[in-house]
Amino acid sequence: QKEVEQDPGPLSVPEGAIVSLNCTYSNSAFQYFMWYRQYSRKGPELLMYTYSSGNKEDGRFTAQVDKSSKYISLFIRDSQPSDSATYLCAMSEGGSYIPTFGRGTSLIVHP
Amino acid sequence: DAGITQSPRHKVTETGTPVTLRCHQTENHRYMYWYRQDPGHGLRLIHYSYGVKDTDKGEVSDGYSVSRSKTEDFLLTLESATSSQTSVYFCAITPDGIEVGEQYFGPGTRLTVT
Repeated sequence: QKEVEQDPGPLSVPEGAIVSLNCTYSNSAFQYFMWYRQYSRKGPELLMYTYSSGNKEDGRFTAQVDKSSKYISLFIRDSQPSDSATYLCAMSEGGSYIPTFGRGTSLIVHP
Repeated sequence: DAGITQSPRHKVTETGTPVTLRCHQTENHRYMYWYRQDPGHGLRLIHYSYGVKDTDKGEVSDGYSVSRSKTEDFLLTLESATSSQTSVYFCAITPDGIEVGEQYFGPGTRLTVT
């Protein structure tokens, strides 16, 4: 079993829907939690970054961390076709420069 | 834009030939990484570097070597390419002075070994 589990999808939603993307993990030492967005044939780009538990909001995006359940989420409000991409979660231990990545969830937002 | 370039962007090579991929950054950050990305496996760390001549192995280092003789360049070498090394290779950096774990990726190199 991988340290970080992420459903590969694809997840297909209509434009305007609220999207929920999730990852579970087993390593309780993880303290830094990240979400990356990767468009087809491009490199991943850092989308959101959270330290420890709690929520963080940036425009239409909200990252949520529940360390007690070892569960993180990324919510996308008012989803747009331009949000269609693969979303990767990543997490790392305190003091570590080496994150552990999930395998990514493919999101398709259709008009 | 983290100022990361990778070369070449595409390469087709034959089994058994040596291949070198180059990652170049413009900001002279300490930490640089090489990943490969394959369907069903996600991103897997090959090697990383934390300074000139300071490198370490990642999860899938067999068959790969790296060198970092200048801060701005991190080279990945496949000594004798195999078909299992057909993949998309990404270089990444962690900017100095920011939180651990954050990485910024280059555009990738698509390598095909025939």
